[in-house]
Amino acid sequence: DAKTTQPPSMDCAEGRAANLPCNHSTISGNEYVYWYRQIHSQGPQYIIHGLKNNETNEMASLIITEDRKSSTLILPHATLRDTAVYYCILLSGGYNKLIFGAGTRLAVHP
Amino acid sequence: GAVVSQHPSRVICKSGTSVKIECRSLDFQATTMFWYRQFPKKSLMLMATSNEGSKATYEQGVEKDKFLINHASLTLSTLTVTSAHPEDSSFYICSARTGGGTTNEKLFFGSGTQLSVL
Repeated sequence: DAKTTQPPSMDCAEGRAANLPCNHSTISGNEYVYWYRQIHSQGPQYIIHGLKNNETNEMASLIITEDRKSSTLILPHATLRDTAVYYCILLSGGYNKLIFGAGTRLAVHP
Repeated sequence: GAVVSQHPSRVICKSGTSVKIECRSLDFQATTMFWYRQFPKKSLMLMATSNEGSKATYEQGVEKDKFLINHASLTLSTLTVTSAHPEDSSFYICSARTGGGTTNEKLFFGSGTQLSVL
């Protein structure tokens, strides 16, 4: 079973920041938080990952709470092309399987 | 970034035939690859984990004789759907680990294969 929970859907206006939450209250000390997204009929795309520090790259920012029980993916200026299903996943080094939860369906509208 | 190539992207076949799907890591060696299937508007469901040079590990409920996985090299894994039936119609996706178990390890996905069995 997936170890993360996410809201099933969210809406965001184009140009505004999209903040996607993820709860992972049973996270282990060696598990990283990874975010992927899947645009319709394509394979998932890597976005960002982190352990306990906040991370930022050209696509997004990842904010992880101090107790690591939850995190937020931030798309600073959402565009229509960001409409996708976003998955929050926990992975540890040497993992032997990757289980997806239901994800959050983000709809960006004009 | 690393690229995983999967093909064919779409295949239509008659019931009873076998279909092979290829998954290649183009610029890295993948000791482990994963195969998923996905139904419309559903999440990805892990079918099996494929390790180079050894037998695949199948998830509960996945028929290993139905879905044959071969991972003969560090850059290629194949999934063969044997004697396909309409209920096997689905979107199949592969993924590959960059490996190393380090903080920079990532998992990259192929573009998927839409299988339609008539």
